[in-house]
Amino acid sequence: RKEVEQDPGPFNVPEGATVAFNCTYSNSASQSFFWYRQDCRKEPKLLMSVYSSGNEDGRFTAQLNRASQYISLLIRDSKLSDSATYLCVVNSWAGNMLTFGGGTRLMVKP
Amino acid sequence: SAVISQKPSRDICQRGTSLTIQCQVDSQVTMMFWYRQQPGQSLTLIATANQGSEATYESGFVIDKFPISRPNLTFSTLTVSNMSPEDSSIYLCSVVAGGRGPEAFFGQGTRLTVV
Repeated sequence: RKEVEQDPGPFNVPEGATVAFNCTYSNSASQSFFWYRQDCRKEPKLLMSVYSSGNEDGRFTAQLNRASQYISLLIRDSKLSDSATYLCVVNSWAGNMLTFGGGTRLMVKP
Repeated sequence: SAVISQKPSRDICQRGTSLTIQCQVDSQVTMMFWYRQQPGQSLTLIATANQGSEATYESGFVIDKFPISRPNLTFSTLTVSNMSPEDSSIYLCSVVAGGRGPEAFFGQGTRLTVV
């Protein structure tokens, strides 16, 4: 079983739609959680951290369920510019080692 | 934050040759990470490079194939040795800096094609 698992997609949605991505992690001792965005032919960049209480940044909402070892990302009112691959990332150990999920590809169509 | 300059950005190489990828960071960092990203796949950690000690390699990656140098706290190189077409991939260096928690910053990537 992979340490961090995501549905690879692609998710094809129309502009304005709401879309949700899920991610599960296997290490119950994981400490920090993130969503990264990777555009085609670009390096990954941090989209948002995920906190236990849940957090929102504009159209993006991230939630963490430690009991189920599950992380989600909700995107409301999708824009064409949201088309990218979204990577679920977990910091499983003390220190700076990050484990990346396989990524979920989102395509927003006009 | 951290800014990483990685080069070359791309290269096409003959099988059997070697390519060295360089990463320069704008600040001193203890650990640098080297990843491989194959087409349509996520990032796979190759090794962690610490200044002053040998790199730590992940399962499936060996020093003879991917030698790493870390001469100081702002610079590292990864060499892909004796290349075969299976080594065609994107190679990324990364550092983790504070700020919003252990945020990872990446170089722009090296797109390698072995023919």
